[in-house]
Amino acid sequence: EDKVVQSPLSLVVHEGDTVTLNCSYEVTNFRSLLWYKQEKKAPTFLFMLTSSGIEKKSGRLSSILDKKELFSILNITATQTGDSAIYLCAVEGGYGQNFVFGPGTRLSVLP
Amino acid sequence: KAGVTQTPRYLIKTRGQQVTLSCSPISGHRSVSWYQQTPGQGLQFLFEYFSETQRNKGNFPGRFSGRQFSNSRSEMNVSTLELGDSALYLCASSLTGSGANVLTFGAGSRLTVL
Repeated sequence: EDKVVQSPLSLVVHEGDTVTLNCSYEVTNFRSLLWYKQEKKAPTFLFMLTSSGIEKKSGRLSSILDKKELFSILNITATQTGDSAIYLCAVEGGYGQNFVFGPGTRLSVLP
Repeated sequence: KAGVTQTPRYLIKTRGQQVTLSCSPISGHRSVSWYQQTPGQGLQFLFEYFSETQRNKGNFPGRFSGRQFSNSRSEMNVSTLELGDSALYLCASSLTGSGANVLTFGAGSRLTVL
């Protein structure tokens, strides 16, 4: 059965800290791995990763994929209170369009 | 351009009733997927529609059904509601639903079953 695991499930840090969120997966017919940020409502798209070893960056956020070891990390540097959210990892695979989501990492950034 | 629109945003039902939720995708997006989000189970895939056809289905009972119209708008229906159906139902659209896709989510419909 396809599955996506995220760790840690919950994390509390102070502003200015750097965090690393982990996502590992076992999904047949892998096509892509996506990261989303969810605050109070709709998950918003952060990154799509399809190739190993190519870092995607957006401001203080970056992410990389390792297709050999079947995992991805999401780094956030110089965290701010506005980074407080649930970070979701999703893997597209299987047959047809089928995204498997991890349980999410709840990040709390304290002032 | 307008995002994914879901209606209603909030609703309260009692056990045994049925509910219909609506989703209007981003203009030009032809694939619509539905997810159930609960604190205990996270985001669970319900089904995906493309060009009015259900292409993929998750592991939910037959009480959960959906359809897609020719304008790509989609509805999902839950019949004979149970307490455990209380959840945030998220709709997401994407361009074609094939290859590497980015799902764009709506704000969700929060269903409470009493």
